[in-house]
Amino acid sequence: QLQLQESGPGLVRPSETLSLSCTVSGASINSDDSCWGWIRQSPGKGLEWIGSIRSGERRYYNPSLKSRVTTSIDTPKNQFSLQLRSVTAADTAVYFCARLAVSTGKHDFWGQGTLVSVSS
Amino acid sequence: QSALTQPPSASGFAGQSVTISCTGTSSDVGGYNFVSWYQQHPDRAPNLIIFGVTKRPSGVPDRFSGSKSGNTASLTVSGLQAEDEADYYCSSYGGSDNFVVFGGGTKVTVL
Repeated sequence: QLQLQESGPGLVRPSETLSLSCTVSGASINSDDSCWGWIRQSPGKGLEWIGSIRSGERRYYNPSLKSRVTTSIDTPKNQFSLQLRSVTAADTAVYFCARLAVSTGKHDFWGQGTLVSVSS
Repeated sequence: QSALTQPPSASGFAGQSVTISCTGTSSDVGGYNFVSWYQQHPDRAPNLIIFGVTKRPSGVPDRFSGSKSGNTASLTVSGLQAEDEADYYCSSYGGSDNFVVFGGGTKVTVL
């Protein structure tokens, strides 16, 4: 069974960079049908897709966040990561990592989510 | 503002049906059969309940069904049960420029 687990700081200062990792178990991060993504949910709000990455360095970003986002894959660790630069209080949210099955467009496996607060 | 439009709330009595709409454009919902629906209970991760417009993952009750007409997708929950009270989100492939788009979510209340 595929499992994902987010990790990273729960508190980030304004203007700094938010960095999260997602460890994948039960599947190879280089699987052809898999795209690995980040989705966030601000308190009391809906889901917002941030960006996705798949093997071969193919990256896809939300146009509204593209200028501040970088995603990467660490194959030996079977992990993928998110960096969000120049954060503000508006970036406070629960951040989920998830697997997108490319052939069907479904996010079928999700991490439990991690709350990141932006505050001085 | 979300890329896909959902009603903020919907409700029905136990045993009845409720239908949630998800309106996009020809660049997302209308252009591809990659519409998914997710159920989210409080403080939990979203759970996939419909993919490919109409398909159910194994383990999802057949009370949940999906459909699409033009630029609008719909989720119907038949025979409402107390545990169906949750937030529901639609999602679609949005082409190479907007790979994934979500709806704003609909809170379903079982009366």
